[in-house]
Amino acid sequence: GAGVSQSPRYKVAKRGQDVALRCDPISGHVSLFWYQQALGQGPEFLTYFQNEAQLDKSGLPSDRFFAERPEGSVSTLKIQRTQQEDSAVYLCASSLGLGSGTEAFFGQGTRLTVV
Amino acid sequence: AQSVTQLGSHVSVSEGALVLLRCNYSSSVPPYLFWYVQYPNQGLQLLLKYTTGATLVKGINGFEAEFKKSETSFHLTKPSAHMSDAAEYFCAVSVYGANSKLTFGKGITLSVRP
Repeated sequence: GAGVSQSPRYKVAKRGQDVALRCDPISGHVSLFWYQQALGQGPEFLTYFQNEAQLDKSGLPSDRFFAERPEGSVSTLKIQRTQQEDSAVYLCASSLGLGSGTEAFFGQGTRLTVV
Repeated sequence: AQSVTQLGSHVSVSEGALVLLRCNYSSSVPPYLFWYVQYPNQGLQLLLKYTTGATLVKGINGFEAEFKKSETSFHLTKPSAHMSDAAEYFCAVSVYGANSKLTFGKGITLSVRP
């Protein structure tokens, strides 16, 4: 596709339920990022992939959060045993290059609401 | 570690007026600086960025920003606001390295009055 695609756009989960959020990056983009954006806040870094390798997961808030990109393309962010504080918009971004300063292209996000 | 401060959460200007959105950063190493815009129900879109070289950078939609190292600032300006500029604006910083993760400010909502 022409841009970064995320699905679903909206997800309502009951507390304790597991969820999986999908990101289709721009074809050929090496770098992939996940960010969490709470209401009224800026996005906060969760994790970074270079191709299939997860090189930085320092932003994942707990061991309930897990991300993968097994073939270096599509990525999935999984949240186990969701809690109300997990309610946020989850943004995926991809970039062509490896270096800082390379433009990151963002998807529209998945809005997760935990009830 | 890097950080970004965007003072205030909301700016309102009249159509045709100057737009000034402030951004200050903190970084122990030379930063790369970005401004992103987010329209409702859309993803973040890059307006402009500073990496190296000229400190005055021009972006899309008539926006520009100036990197001032002495003031640790990267304020965003546009000479004449248009109704279509109403959106949320985020300033972000990253540093040199293979992981170009961004650290964002809290964002500023820009309203444009007719």
